[in-house]
Amino acid sequence: QKEVEQDPGPLSVPEGAIVSLNCTYSNSAFQYFMWYRQYSRKGPELLMYTYSSGNKEDGRFTAQVDKSSKYISLFIRDSQPSDSATYLCAMSAGGNAGKSTFGDGTTLTVKP
Amino acid sequence: EAQVTQNPRYLITVTGKKLTVTCSQNMNHEYMSWYRQDPGLGLRQIYYSMNVEVTDKGDVPEGYKVSRKEKRNFPLILESPSPNQTSLYFCASSSFSGANVLTFGAGSRLTVL
Repeated sequence: QKEVEQDPGPLSVPEGAIVSLNCTYSNSAFQYFMWYRQYSRKGPELLMYTYSSGNKEDGRFTAQVDKSSKYISLFIRDSQPSDSATYLCAMSAGGNAGKSTFGDGTTLTVKP
Repeated sequence: EAQVTQNPRYLITVTGKKLTVTCSQNMNHEYMSWYRQDPGLGLRQIYYSMNVEVTDKGDVPEGYKVSRKEKRNFPLILESPSPNQTSLYFCASSSFSGANVLTFGAGSRLTVL
């Protein structure tokens, strides 16, 4: 079983929809929870990250972490065609532990 | 501009012909890593380096070599490429602070015939 499991998708939604992207994990040592966005033919770029449990909001994006359930989510409000991309969740223990563990990614298409 | 630069971006080669993919970062990051990305398999770590002259295997190291002689550079070497190494490769770097957020290069698409 993988340490990080991500809802596979793909997802296709109309413009303006609320999108929910989800990951589960098994390693209790994870303290940092990241979401990367990867456009076609590009490298992943950090969208946002959260430390420990709780919510973090950045514009139309909200990251949510529930450590008790080992479950994280990314919500996108008022989705736009420019949000069409692959979204990767990633987790790390932080500090000099170094390594991030990635989900396989969910491809989102927002149709105008 | 803070960035990770990898070259070449696209390469078609033949089985057994040694090749090197270069990676350079200008952020003075200690940590550097190579990943390959394949459909349905996500990002898989090949090798990583915690600092100069310190490298270690990731999840899929077979058929690859790396070196870290300078802090900014972390080349990926395929001594004898095979068709199953056809993939999209990413180099990434981070500092040892907080979340260890990775900065990725733009990717190198390698095809081995």
